[in-house]
Amino acid sequence: GDSVIQMQGQVTLSENDFLFINCTYSTTGYPTLFWYVQYSGEGPQLLLQVTTANNKGSSRGFEATYDKGTTSFHLQKTSVQEIDSAVYYCAMRNMGYKLTFGTGTSLLVDP
Amino acid sequence: EAAVTQSPRNKVAVTGGKVTLSCNQTNNHNNMYWYRQDTGHGLRLIHYSYGAGSTEKGDIPDGYKASRPSQENFSLILELATPSQTSVYFCASGGQGEVTEVFFGKGTRLTVV
Repeated sequence: GDSVIQMQGQVTLSENDFLFINCTYSTTGYPTLFWYVQYSGEGPQLLLQVTTANNKGSSRGFEATYDKGTTSFHLQKTSVQEIDSAVYYCAMRNMGYKLTFGTGTSLLVDP
Repeated sequence: EAAVTQSPRNKVAVTGGKVTLSCNQTNNHNNMYWYRQDTGHGLRLIHYSYGAGSTEKGDIPDGYKASRPSQENFSLILELATPSQTSVYFCASGGQGEVTEVFFGKGTRLTVV
């Protein structure tokens, strides 16, 4: 079945540090890949998506890249700020309605 | 702005009791979902629906039922609640198409004692 692996459970950075979060996926065909962000007390919300056709997406200073060869996708930001502290989820949707999530990365940015 | 509203926001239930979590969306989306969120597991899909009258099993459906009586409403039912079902539950809605954004509610914190 479909699966998304997100290995980094917690990441602690200082302001202006570089952020890199990696996910790998397993499925058949050509999925659409997403990054969702969840702030404290809220539900997850879409940060950006990457289709196989584009291989890259960007939003709010974040950039996502997709590597079909290694079935992996990454989220990065050059210079994180304290307001970026949140939980980040990678997710995959493939040929249907089901959205499969990774286990989440909790990012803490120290001021 | 897409809106997904969950009720109640917090619930304490007794073991063996029946619990119903409700979700309403005003987005006119065909697809609706129920996830639970647990530390170390992320978001796991319990049930989903692709329209009024339909319900489908997700990845962890055991112990849960779902009901979609209308386009706007999607309920999650725990007939016999157990402490292992203590969790935060999220409802979501989304339109057709794989690139369509999915919108989440604010969640329901359920504690089964």
